[in-house]
Amino acid sequence: AQSVSQHNHHVILSEAASLELGCNYSYGGTVNLFWYVQYPGQHLQLLLKYFSGDPLVKGIKGFEAEFIKSKFSFNLRKPSVQWSDTAEYFCAGWDTGRRALTFGSGTRLQVQP
Amino acid sequence: SQTIHQWPATLVQPVGSPLSLECTVEGTSNPNLYWYRQAAGRGLQLLFYSVGIGQISSEVPQNLSASRPQDRQFILSSKKLLLSDSGFYLCAWTTGGSNTIYFGEGSWLTVV
Repeated sequence: AQSVSQHNHHVILSEAASLELGCNYSYGGTVNLFWYVQYPGQHLQLLLKYFSGDPLVKGIKGFEAEFIKSKFSFNLRKPSVQWSDTAEYFCAGWDTGRRALTFGSGTRLQVQP
Repeated sequence: SQTIHQWPATLVQPVGSPLSLECTVEGTSNPNLYWYRQAAGRGLQLLFYSVGIGQISSEVPQNLSASRPQDRQFILSSKKLLLSDSGFYLCAWTTGGSNTIYFGEGSWLTVV
């Protein structure tokens, strides 16, 4: 079965700290992975996506993610977080059978000024 | 450009009452449409998806249903709401050849 898991449910950081949010997937076949962000009171937005090629993917707002096939991971990183990064972050994988996204449970990031 | 709208944004409904959430997409044709639910403390769960008019695939058996009466309209319904139906409902779309999904603003449902 295809699944995506996020192990960090709630992360609290101070401004300027480095961020890494874990995401692991269980997939067969072609792997398409995504990170979405949901800021308070706003709708889900796409941060970045990986389809193929360079395993280091750069997204908006200084975020990046690295696809490591041997570890079945697609962790999200940012070298220095800001208070405005406070949000909920979702990792997702494309399910080719259903033509839909399968989401992880989400990680709530709280950045303290 | 393509846009997606869903309504109402919030609603409070008593147990046993009906539900209708609507979603429309503009600026594209023949989109794949989705309903997701985000329950408190849980991730996003796929409820229904549709690849065309009248074609609905259900992921959860419960007391919810979906319909697609027009190409760019997707409706989520229930005849009798349960307390466990409370949550944040998201409509989403993608084009047939893409696997990047775009989400609507969401609808907060509280069943009391």
